[in-house]
Amino acid sequence: QKEVEQDPGPLSVPEGAIVSLNCTYSNSAFQYFMWYRQYSRKGPELLMYTYSSGNKEDGRFTAQVDKSSKYISLFIRDSQPSDSATYLCAMSDGGGSNYKLTFGKGTLLTVNP
Amino acid sequence: KAGVTQTPRYLIKTRGQQVTLSCSPISGHRSVSWYQQTPGQGLQFLFEYFSETQRNKGNFPGRFSGRQFSNSRSEMNVSTLELGDSALYLCASSIAGQETQYFGPGTRLLVL
Repeated sequence: QKEVEQDPGPLSVPEGAIVSLNCTYSNSAFQYFMWYRQYSRKGPELLMYTYSSGNKEDGRFTAQVDKSSKYISLFIRDSQPSDSATYLCAMSDGGGSNYKLTFGKGTLLTVNP
Repeated sequence: KAGVTQTPRYLIKTRGQQVTLSCSPISGHRSVSWYQQTPGQGLQFLFEYFSETQRNKGNFPGRFSGRQFSNSRSEMNVSTLELGDSALYLCASSIAGQETQYFGPGTRLLVL
């Protein structure tokens, strides 16, 4: 079983839709959870960062972490064509000096005008 | 503040050659991590450096190595290149003590 599982999609939605992206994980030591957005032929860009369980909102983006279910989500409200990209979840246990991030394989999202 | 920069952006090599990639972190960031991204495996952790010391290493063969200089700039080297080393190599930097990592644009390596 992979440490982090992410539905690769592709996911295609109309402009203005609410998008839900999800990851599950198996390592209960993970405490730090991130979502990155990666446009084609670019490096990943940090979107959201959360520690432990709970919700965090930033503009049209909401990140949710449910550690009891080992499940994290990213919601995008009022999706725009500019949101078309690959979305990667990432997590770490943050133990000591361990700065290794473990990534999901990414979900390819297309928002159609 | 300038972001993470990586050079070169594109590279074509042949099997058996070696390659060196360079990364300059965000000013003030002392931790530099390297990742390999391929369509099949996604993003995989190579190693992390802090204050010129490798603190963590992923499951890659010894052909993959790196180093960090006193100004926090980092290089990674791949010796005896194989076709399977074709990938996007990403460098990320972070402030010591924080989990968030900021990525550069990557170096796309093609091995023929």
